[in-house]
Amino acid sequence: TQLLEQSPQFLSIQEGENLTVYCNSSSVFSSLQWYRQEPGEGPVLLVTVVTGGEVKKLKRLTFQFGDARKDSSLHITAAQPGDTGLYLCAGLNNAGNMLTFGGGTRLMVKP
Amino acid sequence: DAGITQSPRHKVTETGTPVTLRCHQTENHRYMYWYRQDPGHGLRLIHYSYGVKDTDKGEVSDGYSVSRSKTEDFLLTLESATSSQTSVYFCAIRKAGNTIYFGEGSWLTVV
Repeated sequence: TQLLEQSPQFLSIQEGENLTVYCNSSSVFSSLQWYRQEPGEGPVLLVTVVTGGEVKKLKRLTFQFGDARKDSSLHITAAQPGDTGLYLCAGLNNAGNMLTFGGGTRLMVKP
Repeated sequence: DAGITQSPRHKVTETGTPVTLRCHQTENHRYMYWYRQDPGHGLRLIHYSYGVKDTDKGEVSDGYSVSRSKTEDFLLTLESATSSQTSVYFCAIRKAGNTIYFGEGSWLTVV
């Protein structure tokens, strides 16, 4: 069983601050996906990273896939209250048939 | 729009009754998944399908069965619902680039 450790579990910050969420594993993944989930809704895909060392940017969000494809990070610059939500990382195994989720990071950005 | 429809969206049922949740996709993707999401456990894979009549177990398959008689439909059945199966159930599909998209969820309460 592949495991993904996501940290921190909870994060409460002020508007304008920067933050980083980490997703770590001892397993290699073929790709890693980041989702954001609002209460009462399904996870919404933010980005997929596939290549070791890959960096993708989505406005103020920067996603990085580790060189060995075992870990990933999400960095948010100048957080806004609209960034509040549950952030989930998920790794797809090499066979491509199973997506394993981290435990999630619940982010609150206060105005 | 991920092209996924889950039904019912909300259901309350009694212990011991059978329950079937339906996932319908509009784009003929091969892989479909059923997850459940619970506080403290995150998203866990119940079953997945890699084609018509081709299914396999996930991490938490006990008490659940699935069927896929058509490409577009993936059914999750609780043969005899228990209170521990009270949860939010998400269907997902795998699209090009090994990217996985989720439906909006089905809230099931077993009383």
